[in-house]
Amino acid sequence: GQQLNQSPQSMFIQEGEDVSMNCTSSSIFNTWLWYKQDPGEGPVLLIALYKAGELTSNGRLTAQFGITRKDSFLNISASIPSDVGIYFCAGHSGAGSYQLTFGKGTKLSVIP
Amino acid sequence: GAGVSQSPSNKVTEKGKDVELRCDPISGHTALYWYRQSLGQGLEFLIYFQGNSAPDKSGLPSDRFSAERTGGSVSTLTIQRTQQEDSAVYLCASSIDRVYTEAFFGQGTRLTVV
Repeated sequence: GQQLNQSPQSMFIQEGEDVSMNCTSSSIFNTWLWYKQDPGEGPVLLIALYKAGELTSNGRLTAQFGITRKDSFLNISASIPSDVGIYFCAGHSGAGSYQLTFGKGTKLSVIP
Repeated sequence: GAGVSQSPSNKVTEKGKDVELRCDPISGHTALYWYRQSLGQGLEFLIYFQGNSAPDKSGLPSDRFSAERTGGSVSTLTIQRTQQEDSAVYLCASSIDRVYTEAFFGQGTRLTVV
């Protein structure tokens, strides 16, 4: 099946630093979604991307849909303690099956 | 409510028993997904429903797993003869349709098989 490679797996940063994580695929995706999951909760949608090259911001978060349609990145600027959690990318290929494929997640820890 | 609702939030069952997990999607959402998340792991796709179309069952791990969606709304995921490896958090999500695939998740059902 389709797989998404998400990196890094984990990262420790100082409060106030910027963060960048990315997701790559061997196949083309029509949609990229970024989620954040807190312990004991379901994933919460942060940003949705529908067009190649699209750059979208949501507060301190910025995500881009890669031109090749095989990658996406998420940036967090000026990190704060509540940014701690696991960030997942998800993609939808639109090729027959409509399941959303998820990356394995990036665990973010913020040191105050 | 306004969000995806799942019940129960926690379920402990004995090995070999059957369990049913329920999902109430967001009103008006025609697409519904079930995922499984083992401890510290990513999300594993199980099954997808879209309107009246035949569901995509390609992610169901064995024939002990089944799901139905009645009236295009509420969905039930059934696991028969539960095994310890079935222990996980089962997450349900819904989206408006197959075009606008922004999926919104419930809080999940934590299943523990003892």
